[in-house]
Amino acid sequence: EAGVTQFPSHSVIEKGQTVTLRCDPISGHDNLYWYRRVMGKEIKFLLHFVKESKQDESGMPNNRFLAERTGGTYSTLKVQPAELEDSGVYFCASSQTGLDTQYFGPGTRLTVL
Amino acid sequence: DQQVKQNSPSLSVQEGRISILNCDYTNSMFDYFLWYKKYPAEGPTFLISISSIKDKNEDGRFTVFLNKSAKHLSLHIVPSQPGDSAVYFCAARRKGGSYIPTFGRGTSLIVHP
Repeated sequence: EAGVTQFPSHSVIEKGQTVTLRCDPISGHDNLYWYRRVMGKEIKFLLHFVKESKQDESGMPNNRFLAERTGGTYSTLKVQPAELEDSGVYFCASSQTGLDTQYFGPGTRLTVL
Repeated sequence: DQQVKQNSPSLSVQEGRISILNCDYTNSMFDYFLWYKKYPAEGPTFLISISSIKDKNEDGRFTVFLNKSAKHLSLHIVPSQPGDSAVYFCAARRKGGSYIPTFGRGTSLIVHP
């Protein structure tokens, strides 16, 4: 069974540009989570989808971040316009309903110059 | 304000010896605690957990101890192996909350042959 996949693995953009990160969860997992880790700091929760609905987006930093989950399958996280402080590793995780084990993807390392 | 603290950014241990990774928390509402292990360029993977109704949970070489009165938990790895070299994240969840954990900053463990 394929794990959680994320694309791209790395992205380097300039301040003010737009970047879209993609996450494909494990097939059949209704729960999808986005997290971010700024270098050396804690992994911080961004938001949680249940199928295509946003269950909790309390961790989203501001309105420059937009997350979508089309048809309850893959999810995208768009940053527009990107700022220097958006640099970090963005992790996606998924889990089955009723089970608390989250499976993480390898992350996308975003560098904003 | 960090609710889960891992005050040691790094730890170096000789192969075969015990590794002890520490974690403190401030939120008394946390009732479930997890440890994740992360290799470079990979996402965190669940390692072991403990409920607040227990004070110890063991899984092979890994044991987690919980001291509720001190709001402290620790992960013991015995014996340590070079393959255990990774970043270890402590995480905690609240009673009645979702399955979204609050993470610490991680401790980088290096096990020398």
